[in-house]
Parts: sequence; C-alpha cells; structure tokens
Amino acid sequence: EPEVTQTPSHQVTQMGQEVILRCVPISNHLYFYWYRQILGQKVEFLVSFYNNEISEKSEIFDDQFSVERPDGSNFTLKIRSTKLEDSAMYFCASSEKVAGTFGSGTRLTVV
Amino acid sequence: RKEVEQDPGPFNVPEGATVAFNCTYSNSASQSFFWYRQDCRKEPKLLMSVYSSGNEDGRFTAQLNRASQYISLLIRDSKLSDSATYLCGGDSSYKLIFGSGTRLLVRP
Repeated sequence: EPEVTQTPSHQVTQMGQEVILRCVPISNHLYFYWYRQILGQKVEFLVSFYNNEISEKSEIFDDQFSVERPDGSNFTLKIRSTKLEDSAMYFCASSEKVAGTFGSGTRLTVV
Repeated sequence: RKEVEQDPGPFNVPEGATVAFNCTYSNSASQSFFWYRQDCRKEPKLLMSVYSSGNEDGRFTAQLNRASQYISLLIRDSKLSDSATYLCGGDSSYKLIFGSGTRLLVRP
C-alpha cells in the first residue's frame, strides 16, 4: 500500500534554531498538506499545497513557516526561529482529492 | 463556534457492545466528511468517508445528516482493537478540519 514518508521521526532543536521537516508524498497525489498536533490536543491544519503553490494556510502558518517542493518528490516544511510552543507532532499528508493519507509524523521538541 | 465538534469521551464499553459517536459541523459549505482513527502517538488513518447517503463497512456505519449538520459513526460488536481516538473531519476548501476526537476504550 502506498505511503507518505516523513523524516526525521524525531527532531530535537534549540529555541531560535531553524528546522526543516521532510516528506515524500504518494507519487500520484496532487494535494499536499501539513498538519500539527500539540500533545493532547487536536490535529490542526497548517497549509495546503497544490500545483506548486500554497492553496490555503491557517492563521498558525505565519511568516515563521514556509513550504517547498524542491524537486518532484519531496515536500518540506521549514520553521524558522523555533519557539518552545512549536513543540508538536507535525504530520504531512497527501491526497488525490480531500481525504488525505498521513505520514507517521515528525515529533519536534524545542528545548 | 468550532467548525467541527465532538464529545471527547472517553467511551468505556465492554467487548461486543455497540457504540455510537456523533460529530457536529458548522460549515454548511463542506461537501465531504470523514472518520479517521488515531492510535496513541500515531498518525490519523482514514476509517471511512461519509457522503450524503451514508456508508457501511463491516462493523462500521457512518451517516451524514445535512439538515442537522451532524455525522455519526456506529461500531457494532466492538473489539479490543477498536480502542483508539476517532476523529471526525470535514473538508473546507482544500483542507480537512478535524474535531478534537472521541476516545474509545473497549474492555474485556
């Protein structure tokens, strides 16, 4: 069964540092997403990406965040100047239409 | 009002029980709805899509009531392995909006 791959599975970073979370979506999917889940809280939408550009972003997705599809397979989320409150599980998802397939996530811990 | 609301539970039921979860949504423009299952510290996994005519898959039945803006999930003959958090999600222009999830505990 096709899957969405995310790396790393766990990232620890110091406050103020930049991190890049990587995702390889399912190859024939056209829509790509990043979601965030703070421990014990709901899964929150961050950004959607289609046709090489951002389709929509939430109010969480401010100037600290950016996404890129640098080549035909990877989809990255960059978080600049990380804060303690950025600690969360970050899920990448991809879909042909709406119901996405999620990757296993990157647990980001900011210390 | 939150876009998608769910009773957080937990629902604690014995094996073999039938259990139902409800989810309400506020965005009447949403066309598609989904139930996802999330195990502890794992990613959400699509359980079922829910359309206006409903959907049944084995022990699971999902129903959509557009007039009342709610979605339900019924699990029959619950198994220990059904213990998880069930997330209700609705599409809203290129994204899924999830509820906070309903936790189900199935006991022996």
